[in-house]
Amino acid sequence: QKEVEQNSGPLSVPEGAIASLNCTYSDRGSQSFFWYRQYSGKSPELIMSIYSNGDKEDGRFTAQLNKASQYVSLLIRDSQPSDSATYLCAVTPQGGSEKLVFGKGTKLTVNP
Amino acid sequence: DAGVTQSPTHLIKTRGQQVTLRCSPISGHKSVSWYQQVLGQGPQFIFQYYEKEERGRGNFPDRFSARQFPNYSSELNVNALLLGDSALYLCASSSPYQTGITYEQYFGPGTRLTVT
Repeated sequence: QKEVEQNSGPLSVPEGAIASLNCTYSDRGSQSFFWYRQYSGKSPELIMSIYSNGDKEDGRFTAQLNKASQYVSLLIRDSQPSDSATYLCAVTPQGGSEKLVFGKGTKLTVNP
Repeated sequence: DAGVTQSPTHLIKTRGQQVTLRCSPISGHKSVSWYQQVLGQGPQFIFQYYEKEERGRGNFPDRFSARQFPNYSSELNVNALLLGDSALYLCASSSPYQTGITYEQYFGPGTRLTVT
């Protein structure tokens, strides 16, 4: 069983729509959850972190965490072509180490 | 403020050679982690260092080693390079390390290693 799973996509949405990205994880004791954005040929850029159940909003981005379902999601409102990138979900395992376990990423394309 | 810096940007090596990659963390950050990212995959954890001590190691062979210096910069060494070592090597820094708490990690631009 893979530790962090994401739909590889590609996910295609029209400009102005809401993009919904999903991630599930296998370690029930995981404590910290992160979303990174990675443009082609570039390094990952941290866009959201979430540590407790519920929603966390930052501008057009909303992260949602449900530890009981071992599920974390990222919503991007009013999607822009500049949001086109691969979105990586990362989780820290039980014990709270600095190790991030990443999913393979979901490629998002926002069409003008 | 400067972000995480890495050098070199690109590197081409031959099988069997050795390589050293360098990383300088964000000012004030004392923890450095190394990741390997192959095409189409998410980054994989290699090492984490804090205050010059190894605090975590991923599932990589002993050909991979690292160290951290008093100024918190770090080096990753890979010996006896294999074709499969071709990847983007990422360094991430985070604020002071504390057991049981994970701080946000910020990545540098990476070093693209090609082994021929």
